[in-house]
Amino acid sequence: DTAVSQTPKYLVTQMGNDKSIKCEQNLGHDTMYWYKQDSKKFLKIMFSYNNKELIINETVPNRFSPKSPDKAHLNLHINSLELGDSAVYFCASSPRVINTGELFFGEGSRLTVL
Amino acid sequence: GNSVTQMEGPVTLSEEAFLTINCTYTATGYPSLFWYVQYPGEGLQLLLKATKADDKGSNKGFEATYRKETTSFHLEKGSVQVSDSAVYFCALSDQYAGGTSYGKLTFGQGTILTVHP
Repeated sequence: DTAVSQTPKYLVTQMGNDKSIKCEQNLGHDTMYWYKQDSKKFLKIMFSYNNKELIINETVPNRFSPKSPDKAHLNLHINSLELGDSAVYFCASSPRVINTGELFFGEGSRLTVL
Repeated sequence: GNSVTQMEGPVTLSEEAFLTINCTYTATGYPSLFWYVQYPGEGLQLLLKATKADDKGSNKGFEATYRKETTSFHLEKGSVQVSDSAVYFCALSDQYAGGTSYGKLTFGQGTILTVHP
């Protein structure tokens, strides 16, 4: 069983569309994250949720809306997609909001906006 | 703000060669430092960490020492194997009590390592 799983792994879409990426973790962790890997390969945090509550929001455009229906799921919805949104999006989890810095990552979802 | 700079890749080595991947950082205070590894088709996973100056993190034959005077955390391995082929990410986080963090990691751009038989 994959500990942190994301779907879809690949997503190709047109500018202006709305799309979602889903993430699920079966580790029993309280805290989940979305990271974005940009074109220069740097990973940057976007959001974190602890037990369905938003903890970190890193100045992300409000076209990005995370949703956590329960502590095992954290979805990312993106409205009005732009070319600059093309990236790899990584979901991650940790046991608690205060942690050792060890995050458990999914494989990433590669979004391409045409 | 915090930043991490890694040596540019890709790095290509023969099996049993010595590996060094350089990592330097800029941060206020006393961050925790990490190396994460991403094997093909998998998510990133923690390889090793260090939480204070002169600490050495080690795992699977890899080592890195927290050098505050040079703000560096270089990754080394004495003899690489084909199975070490992966992407390696250096990262840091602001540190709270007892070496903990909020999981807000600042990553370098990753270094692709390929090891040939």
